[in-house]
Amino acid sequence: DAKTTQPTSMDCAEGRAANLPCNHSTISGNEYVYWYRQIHSQGPQYIIHGLKNNETNEMASLIITEDRKSSTLILPHATLRDTAVYYCIVRVMNNNAGNMLTFGGGTRLMVKP
Amino acid sequence: DTGVSQDPRHKITKRGQNVTFRCDPISEHNRLYWYRQTLGQGPEFLTYFQNEAQLEKSRLLSDRFSAERPKGSFSTLEIQRTEQGDSAMYLCASSLASLSGTHNEQFFGPGTRLTVL
Repeated sequence: DAKTTQPTSMDCAEGRAANLPCNHSTISGNEYVYWYRQIHSQGPQYIIHGLKNNETNEMASLIITEDRKSSTLILPHATLRDTAVYYCIVRVMNNNAGNMLTFGGGTRLMVKP
Repeated sequence: DTGVSQDPRHKITKRGQNVTFRCDPISEHNRLYWYRQTLGQGPEFLTYFQNEAQLEKSRLLSDRFSAERPKGSFSTLEIQRTEQGDSAMYLCASSLASLSGTHNEQFFGPGTRLTVL
């Protein structure tokens, strides 16, 4: 069973920031928060991950609340090519279970002109 | 292109037939994963290999499903006696597991779409 909860869908205007929330209230201390996205007809693509500190890379920023029970993925300037399903996943490192990514339903982000 | 490749991209078969899918991982990656994705759902983990060893296979959906990675490079997923419920996208991913066990990003292929008539 997926251990995350995400809105089913969201819209965002092109050029604006897209903020995608994720609840993971039962997250354990050794579980990381991962984000993947899946563009139509493609396999999932890794975006970013974090444990408790905020993270930023060339694709996105990840904001994790202090209690780690929720997080937000931020696409700072959404483009039409960011239209995809975004998956928030929690996983442990360094054990067998952590190699089995558990995807929920994800959030379908529609970026509109 | 040095990404994960899968063959075929599409397969249509009749119920009861056997099908086999192939996955070629990124060349230096020692881990290979199989997932299934049905319409409107997120991918569902099936099995994974480290080199040629199948480390987890309890999530394979039934004994009709089997996977191999004989030389630690490419892998095959076979479904015997296909059923209409097997219609789905079958995704393969690969990663490089480090000795430290830290983050190893899974890179996914484009998938094989199976339709069972």
